[in-house]
Amino acid sequence: QQQVKQSPQSLIVQKGGIPIINCAYENTAFDYFPWYQQFPGKGPALLIAIRPDVSEKKEGRFTISFNKSAKQFSLHIMDSQPGDSATYFCAASLETSGSRLTFGEGTQLTVNP
Amino acid sequence: EAEVAQSPRYKITEKSQAVAFWCDPISGHATLYWYRQILGQGPELLVQFQDESVVDDSQLPKDRFSAERLKGVDSTLKIQPAELGDSAMYLCASSLDPNYGYTFGSGTRLTVV
Repeated sequence: QQQVKQSPQSLIVQKGGIPIINCAYENTAFDYFPWYQQFPGKGPALLIAIRPDVSEKKEGRFTISFNKSAKQFSLHIMDSQPGDSATYFCAASLETSGSRLTFGEGTQLTVNP
Repeated sequence: EAEVAQSPRYKITEKSQAVAFWCDPISGHATLYWYRQILGQGPELLVQFQDESVVDDSQLPKDRFSAERLKGVDSTLKIQPAELGDSAMYLCASSLDPNYGYTFGSGTRLTVV
């Protein structure tokens, strides 16, 4: 019930491409869905987040699409750059649980020049 | 930009020894989290504090792990005795409002030999 499944495990795109990372969750009570970006040797950094009352949120080159009925959400990176090469984690939390984040397994993105 | 401070950055310890990690959250952040991240996986919550009180330690292996936040500011996570399977990145995070994401530190990389 608390799992978040993320795919793909790794992704390689060319500069300017649009990588898409997908996540699926089981617990319909989750009410907060953030994406984190992690560079080697660093802690995860919050990238963008969405709540289930909207279907899409865009911040700069990053867009979250949210499908409540399918219990899925995805991250799109427009005009990807080599500096976007990192590991991306989706997550979900439930306010009444004290906002403990349940993370996906991570996607290692490589953007080639 | 305010940061969550963690020390040490790296720790190598022998099996059965005791080890401790320290975290100083962003000033004013009442909520503090310790997460464990095994290589290639997403972080998993070990313990959550609200001020000096434990909110959630359901995933903390209490036979060997302990955590404290005595004055509601900085926190210490201890493992005694360490086991080979404890090798991981230990991440501390803090939040002003958990429902709007939180900030991770750079973590302590523990290797148990």
